[in-house]
Amino acid sequence: SQQGEEDPQALSIQEGENATMNCSYKTSINNLQWYRQNSGRGLVHLILIRSNEREKHSGRLRVTLDTSKKSSSLLITASRAADTASYFCATDADYNQGGKLIFGQGTELSVKP
Amino acid sequence: DTEVTQTPKHLVMGMTNKKSLKCEQHMGHRAMYWYKQKAKKPPELMFVYSYEKLSINESVPSRFSPECPNSSLLNLHLHALQPEDSALYLCASSQAGVLYGYTFGSGTRLTVV
Repeated sequence: SQQGEEDPQALSIQEGENATMNCSYKTSINNLQWYRQNSGRGLVHLILIRSNEREKHSGRLRVTLDTSKKSSSLLITASRAADTASYFCATDADYNQGGKLIFGQGTELSVKP
Repeated sequence: DTEVTQTPKHLVMGMTNKKSLKCEQHMGHRAMYWYKQKAKKPPELMFVYSYEKLSINESVPSRFSPECPNSSLLNLHLHALQPEDSALYLCASSQAGVLYGYTFGSGTRLTVV
């Protein structure tokens, strides 16, 4: 079963607005990652935040992590039409077997010009 | 080279056919992965290879057979597939398991007829 659950499932905003996506997970983690997927293509790694970090920035991206609530958020500031994509959070599991990344259900972001 | 290359990009096969998907990376990553993704769903992990050895098999049917001939190559052999196996098959690699971000290929779009 998937560890991460995201909301909203779909988000539609205007160019220039900020977009916030949330991710919740069930078990303890070592890190949480965010990925972007343009329609029908491979996933692109955006940012990784470790369990001992609370906030991380990368360009227009800001990720927060609250391990007490088992939740994370991804904020995209000043969105552009090119940000239109699906966004997935992913958490790690099964270290004893070498580790695996489990993806949440994803948020479909549409940025209208 | 910072890419994961998957071939072919598209594949149509009959239920009695045998075919193979190929994945290649030259980043020196020691972990490689196969994921399956259905439309509007998150990627689902199939197999994990760590240092060229199969470390995780997510109870995948035996009609899917992975192979890792060397540290740069990962194959997925397909035999007697069902129409419900039609999906996007994604290969990924990482430097050292889940402690780092994954690099994904652009996928093989498989249609079973």
